[in-house]
Amino acid sequence: AQKVTQAQTEISVVEKEDVTLDCVYETRDTTYYLFWYKQPPSGELVFLIRRNSFDEQNEISGRYSWNFQKSTSSFNFTITASQVVDSAVYFCALSAMTGGGNKLTFGTGTQLKVEL
Amino acid sequence: DVKVTQSSRYLVKRTGEKVFLECVQDMDHENMFWYRQDPGLGLRLIYFSYDVKMKEKGDIPEGYSVSREKKERFSLILESASTNQTSMYLCASSFWVGEPEAFFGQGTRLTVV
Repeated sequence: AQKVTQAQTEISVVEKEDVTLDCVYETRDTTYYLFWYKQPPSGELVFLIRRNSFDEQNEISGRYSWNFQKSTSSFNFTITASQVVDSAVYFCALSAMTGGGNKLTFGTGTQLKVEL
Repeated sequence: DVKVTQSSRYLVKRTGEKVFLECVQDMDHENMFWYRQDPGLGLRLIYFSYDVKMKEKGDIPEGYSVSREKKERFSLILESASTNQTSMYLCASSFWVGEPEAFFGQGTRLTVV
């Protein structure tokens, strides 16, 4: 079985604050992928980043950074100097082999509100 | 650009009707997925398919079936629609390997009355 847990349902911050969104996953597979997606108010899911299970290097892209730790089964997402445009629902997801294919499982999402 | 197209943006159906939701992708992806999204519950996987005519149940398959006769098309079927199937339905597709991130359609808001 595979599972993704996003314990933070909603986070509110003031613009320019840093914020970290938590993601904890479970899988029995040794080969898997982790993802973060953004869903703005318009509704369309936007892919942000992918990590495979053999690559624990952290990644930074502009104001976004991701921390992948296999020891704690976590894949956390930090936004530095948040902006109002970052307001969205953020989903963490896990893809692992099951049966004949790759099952893609999402967490319940974290609603981020960035206010002026 | 990857394109995943769902046939309808909004649908209203009556209880007991058979409902077809269609999804087409243009990237030759092997994997295709159907999710429903409800407030507070995130995206829940209904069914997925990793090849033509191959399918696997997701986490909430009850009341649904799927069809994949061609690689680019994945249909979700509600055999007898019920009000608790009122939801946003999202289709997605992806490769097996290489760049396995999923790309999503715009969603179908289904209301069963």
